[in-house]
Amino acid sequence: NAGVTQTPKFQVLKTGQSMTLQCAQDMNHNSMYWYRQDPGMGLRLIYYSASEGTTDKGEVPNGYNVSRLNKREFSLRLESAAPSQTSVYFCATRGRAQGGYTFGSGTRLTVV
Amino acid sequence: GQQLNQSPQSMFIQEGEDVSMNCTSSSIFNTWLWYKQDPGEGPVLLIALYKAGELTSNGRLTAQFGITRKDSFLNISASIPSDVGIYFCAGIYGGSQGNLIFGKGTKLSVKP
Repeated sequence: NAGVTQTPKFQVLKTGQSMTLQCAQDMNHNSMYWYRQDPGMGLRLIYYSASEGTTDKGEVPNGYNVSRLNKREFSLRLESAAPSQTSVYFCATRGRAQGGYTFGSGTRLTVV
Repeated sequence: GQQLNQSPQSMFIQEGEDVSMNCTSSSIFNTWLWYKQDPGEGPVLLIALYKAGELTSNGRLTAQFGITRKDSFLNISASIPSDVGIYFCAGIYGGSQGNLIFGKGTKLSVKP
């Protein structure tokens, strides 16, 4: 019973490279989210998906795209990585409408 | 947009002491959540609060949803070394989507 699984755990990219961060959940939750965490900034919402087939921008969407592949999987893509995207990225899911979110263990991305 | 002001930013306490932290906002929230994050991990839900005035405990942790729906506090009684970590408040606002925003965290360090 893994909950929310993120891959990879660590990644180093060169400026301009692209990559996709993967997130999968086995909790049968409708809503999925991508956050980034930077020192002193807390967690900020990048994109979310309220249900399969829908995605919406969060607070800091620029430079990212997402795909809700199916109910289980929600991926985050960086088309042309920039040093400002160095961060820790967390995927999360939510069950009931006002329930707590369950987070993955994060992907630590460094862009050089 | 909505913002959560979490205080204090950090604190050092002696083992056995009680700890208190809080979050305030100028906006109204439907749900207040308190999370703890250990190094290298994602945030883990400690307590969820759903009604104004609600007081909920989870072991040595107690949290309250403020009557005005604009604030919440978390108390930890008789702190122990494993309480070390970063504590985040989070609030859910809005209607059917109910997105989550985070405070910037309180870093707790315990002197053994």
